[in-house]
Amino acid sequence: KAGVTQTPRYLIKTRGQQVTLSCSPISGHRSVSWYQQTPGQGLQFLFEYFSETQRNKGNFPGRFSGRQFSNSRSEMNVSTLELGDSALYLCASSLGIAGAHYNEQFFGPGTRLTVL
Amino acid sequence: DQQVKQNSPSLSVQEGRISILNCDYTNSMFDYFLWYKKYPAEGPTFLISISSIKDKNEDGRFTVFLNKSAKHLSLHIVPSQPGDSAVYFCAAITSGTYKYIFGTGTRLKVLA
Repeated sequence: KAGVTQTPRYLIKTRGQQVTLSCSPISGHRSVSWYQQTPGQGLQFLFEYFSETQRNKGNFPGRFSGRQFSNSRSEMNVSTLELGDSALYLCASSLGIAGAHYNEQFFGPGTRLTVL
Repeated sequence: DQQVKQNSPSLSVQEGRISILNCDYTNSMFDYFLWYKKYPAEGPTFLISISSIKDKNEDGRFTVFLNKSAKHLSLHIVPSQPGDSAVYFCAAITSGTYKYIFGTGTRLKVLA
């Protein structure tokens, strides 16, 4: 079974631009969660989508948004990029709602975003 | 407000010895805890977990201990192997929100 895939793997943008990252979950998984990883901050939860609906959200500004399609693929968008948005963005998929009945999350390799 | 803390950013251990990674939390509502391992250029992978109703869970070389009164979690790796060198994240979940809260990670280096 193919794992979680994320595209692109690397991205360089400049301040003020916007970016869209893509995540394809494991086949049959209906939940996709997004995380931001920065040095010293660990993994910060961005949001979770389940069956095309955002069911959980972290403490990030509205510049960070996402969506999920009917095939469970998910996209994350960051508008008006800032230098501090440089990070590794990870997505994780799970069969059901992440954390419920301890559904295990499977992570993709991440997208490394650099904002200049 | 960091609800899950890993106060040691790095740890070095000799091959064959015990590695102990620590994690502290502040939210008493957490009822499930997990450890993930992350190699460079890969996403984190699940290692071991423990429910708040238990104080120990063992899986091969990996054992997780939970001390609820101290709000402290630890991962023991015995014996440590060079392939264990990675960043380890602890995470906690509250069954009400089902939101994962991760720590900042500890980089383990096992010396051959």
